[in-house]
Amino acid sequence: KQEVTQIPAALSVPEGENLVLNCSFTDSAIYNLQWFRQDPGKGLTSLLLIQSSQREQTSGRLNASLDKSSGRSTLYIAASQPGDSATYLCAVRPRGGSEKLVFGKGMKLTVNP
Amino acid sequence: EAQVTQNPRYLITVTGKKLTVTCSQNMNHEYMSWYRQDPGLGLRQIYYSMNVEVTDKGDVPEGYKVSRKEKRNFPLILESPSPNQTSLYFCASSFIHSGGVNNEQFFGPGTRLTVL
Repeated sequence: KQEVTQIPAALSVPEGENLVLNCSFTDSAIYNLQWFRQDPGKGLTSLLLIQSSQREQTSGRLNASLDKSSGRSTLYIAASQPGDSATYLCAVRPRGGSEKLVFGKGMKLTVNP
Repeated sequence: EAQVTQNPRYLITVTGKKLTVTCSQNMNHEYMSWYRQDPGLGLRQIYYSMNVEVTDKGDVPEGYKVSRKEKRNFPLILESPSPNQTSLYFCASSFIHSGGVNNEQFFGPGTRLTVL
């Protein structure tokens, strides 16, 4: 059974720091991995999608990497800002079956001005 | 604008009163899915559909029904809601995985349901 883990569950940093958010998964048989952002009580905003054949994706200050063989992904946030404060969720799409996304529990990020 | 819409966004109801949460997407996606999100449990899949008239149970289907009569719509039906179905519900859609196809899942804004 695929399991996704995000550690730590929460992180508080001063503005301007470069951040690395970690995600690990137990089964490398995946189609892709997505990183999402969720603001309190709000929906999920897709940040980056990495297909299983790719190593990384970039969007603005965000860079996500994927090491499928070791079951790891990282989301790098450059020059963090208070507006980056949110919960960040990692999800993998396992091959076959229901094609559901299997989510981690998320990491709550607070960027202090 | 490509999007997934859900209605209503907020709903307070009482135990046993049937309700439907609608979901619609305008991206011609084959795949649609419902998730619920609960504190400490994360997001869990309720039901999914691979195409019109093709639906199947996810991880937590008890107490829910779905239908897929049209490609764009995937309503979630609670025939007799109970307090343990109080949750934040998300509808999602994507293309089914196929080589070279971008199968990113898009999520609706969520429906916050409270069952008293």
